[in-house]
Amino acid sequence: GAGVSQSPSNKVTEKGKDVELRCDPISGHTALYWYRQSLGQGLEFLIYFQGNSAPDKSGLPSDRFSAERTGGSVSTLTIQRTQQEDSAVYLCASSAAGTHQETQYFGPGTRLLVL
Amino acid sequence: GDSVTQMEGPVTLSEEAFLTINCTYTATGYPSLFWYVQYPGEGLQLLLKATKADDKGSNKGFEATYRKETTSFHLEKGSVQVSDSAVYFCAFGQGGTASKLTFGTGTRLQVTL
Repeated sequence: GAGVSQSPSNKVTEKGKDVELRCDPISGHTALYWYRQSLGQGLEFLIYFQGNSAPDKSGLPSDRFSAERTGGSVSTLTIQRTQQEDSAVYLCASSAAGTHQETQYFGPGTRLLVL
Repeated sequence: GDSVTQMEGPVTLSEEAFLTINCTYTATGYPSLFWYVQYPGEGLQLLLKATKADDKGSNKGFEATYRKETTSFHLEKGSVQVSDSAVYFCAFGQGGTASKLTFGTGTRLQVTL
C-alpha cells in the first residue's frame, strides 16, 4: 500500500532495555512526525523532520529519546533504558511539505509495553 | 500555552440522533484546525479540516466551522450511525518552523441502535 507503515506493531520489553521503532513515510513526503498516545496524556508531539533541516526535538520527554531520519525517508525512534512510563502507542505521520494546513497521514502505530 | 479543550466522553447516542462535540483552542496566530477520527482497531485518520476563519470543513455528513472569534471548531452531524462509533480528536496545526499538531484528549462516541 501507499500509506505510512510502522514496525514492529507490538513490542514488549523489560525495563532498562533499549528499543528501536521504525517508520516508513508515504513516498515523496518531506515532513515526518512522531507522536505518542498514552492513557492520561492523550496524543503528544515528540519530534518533527522536514527535508534536510535540523529536526524539531522540542517534544522529546527526556534525553533517553532520540530519532533519526536517513536519506530523507525512513525514520527510527530510539528509546534508551526504557521505563514503565514509556509504555504507549508511538505514532508516525507524514505530510507532503510540512505546512500547517496540510493533512498529516498516520501509520498504525507501535504499541510499546515496558515490563 | 497552546492547547485544545474538547468535551469529555464517552458520548452515547441512539442512531439518527444529532451529534455535537465541542472543541476550543488556545493558540497564537492563525492555526489550521482539524478533526481526526480513530475507528476501533484502526489508525488515526483525517475527518475534516479548515485552514482559515469562517471556513467550514465537511466529510461523511460531519461538519465543523472555524470560529476565530470564539476560538472554536465544534464537530456536528445531523444523524449519527452505528458506524460512526469511534474516538474523535480535535487538533490544530500552527505555522512557523514546526507544523506539529496539538491534540485534544479525544472524545469517545458510542452509537447504539
